[in-house]
Amino acid sequence: GEDVEQSLFLSVREGDSSVINCTYTDSSSTYLYWYKQEPGAGLQLLTYIFSNMDMKQDQRLTVLLNKKDKHLSLRIADTQTGDSAIYFCAENGNFNKFYFGSGTKLNVKP
Amino acid sequence: DAGVIQSPRHEVTEMGQEVTLRCKPISGHDYLFWYRQTMMRGLELLIYFNNNVPIDDSGMPEDRFSAKMPNASFSTLKIQPSEPRDSAVYFCASSYSGGQGAPEQYFGPGTRLTIT
Repeated sequence: GEDVEQSLFLSVREGDSSVINCTYTDSSSTYLYWYKQEPGAGLQLLTYIFSNMDMKQDQRLTVLLNKKDKHLSLRIADTQTGDSAIYFCAENGNFNKFYFGSGTKLNVKP
Repeated sequence: DAGVIQSPRHEVTEMGQEVTLRCKPISGHDYLFWYRQTMMRGLELLIYFNNNVPIDDSGMPEDRFSAKMPNASFSTLKIQPSEPRDSAVYFCASSYSGGQGAPEQYFGPGTRLTIT
């Protein structure tokens, strides 16, 4: 099946930029997603990118997609302590099924 | 809309007992997904339904797990008998296939299950 991989942990200082990386295997995915999970809560959609785009910017968030290498990244500018959470990369498959990565736990130090 | 509703939010029970987790999807959504999250295995898809019909239950760990969706607004995930290794956070998510643009899965707050 589809395999979505992420590193497990990232630690940054408040005010720095964070870059969370993801690799995926299914080149037929139409959309790629970033979800955020805060402690004790469910996953919430943060942003997504259409597979024919290579970049999408939304305020402090920048998503970069390299289709050739099947690599997706999420950059958070001016990272705040409120950004501390687990970030999941996902690709969509058939029947609205999503393939999620293992999640990257972002720790923001004050 | 209130979003995806799950109950209970927390459940602690002794091994061997039956556990029933409940989910109400967002009204109008035609897909419903059950996931399990643990530190060791991350987020696992257990089963999903389309228009109340199970499409893929290959993620269900074993026969002790069963899921039903008797109507468009209610689903249950049952574990009988429960074991300590079933301790996890169980999420329900729903989505709508008929819209334009990117499909999105909406997650409930989860049920934290502890089997002692």
